[in-house]
Amino acid sequence: QVQLQESGPGLVKPSETLSLTCTVSGGSISTFHWSWIRQPPGKGLEWIGYIYNSGRTNYNPSLKSRIAISVDTSKNQFSLRLSSVTAADTAVYYCAILYIDGWYLDSWGQGTLVTVSS
Amino acid sequence: QSVLTQSPSASGTPGQRLTISCSGSSSNIGSNYVHWYQQLPATAPKLLIYRNNQRPSGVPDRFSGSKSGTSASLAISGLRSEDEADYYCAAWDDRLRGVIFGGGTKLTVL
Repeated sequence: QVQLQESGPGLVKPSETLSLTCTVSGGSISTFHWSWIRQPPGKGLEWIGYIYNSGRTNYNPSLKSRIAISVDTSKNQFSLRLSSVTAADTAVYYCAILYIDGWYLDSWGQGTLVTVSS
Repeated sequence: QSVLTQSPSASGTPGQRLTISCSGSSSNIGSNYVHWYQQLPATAPKLLIYRNNQRPSGVPDRFSGSKSGTSASLAISGLRSEDEADYYCAAWDDRLRGVIFGGGTKLTVL
């Protein structure tokens, strides 16, 4: 069974870039498509974007100018970079497998809390 | 404000059958599959129902999903205390070209 694990700094300063990695185990990253989702404290889920196993990406229009999602097949990892962060970007960030034959998310990682604060 | 609309809360007693609804539009639920996620307290969301009414392996048949027009429902029968969680509906939106979620429904088992 494929398992995902997010990692990265838990604290980022305003205006800096948030960088997170999702490590995939139990399967090849080339087999699936991948997505990032976030959840501000006490609030609902927000889709951030996805990357196909081909490398093509699609991002939430509200975040598009600040996001980059990439894959490192040699490490079986994919990554999220979110630039010019503000306090509004404080959230638990999740990675998950995206099934495009329906656009649903499975095998979520446990999530990692990122706080934006000086 | 979420594109998919859910009631913020719902409650029921053990053994009861309960329904959670999700309302959308022609660009999302009306033309695409609906999925449901369960988020137990302090845990990551988990896929509960996909493609309107399909259950992943391991999800009890007490959970069922349906869709009609631009609305969808999640039904839970034989309610248990361990069903206390937040439930989110989700769908692809053709207009936004992305995945959208409902605001979530917090289920309390009395």
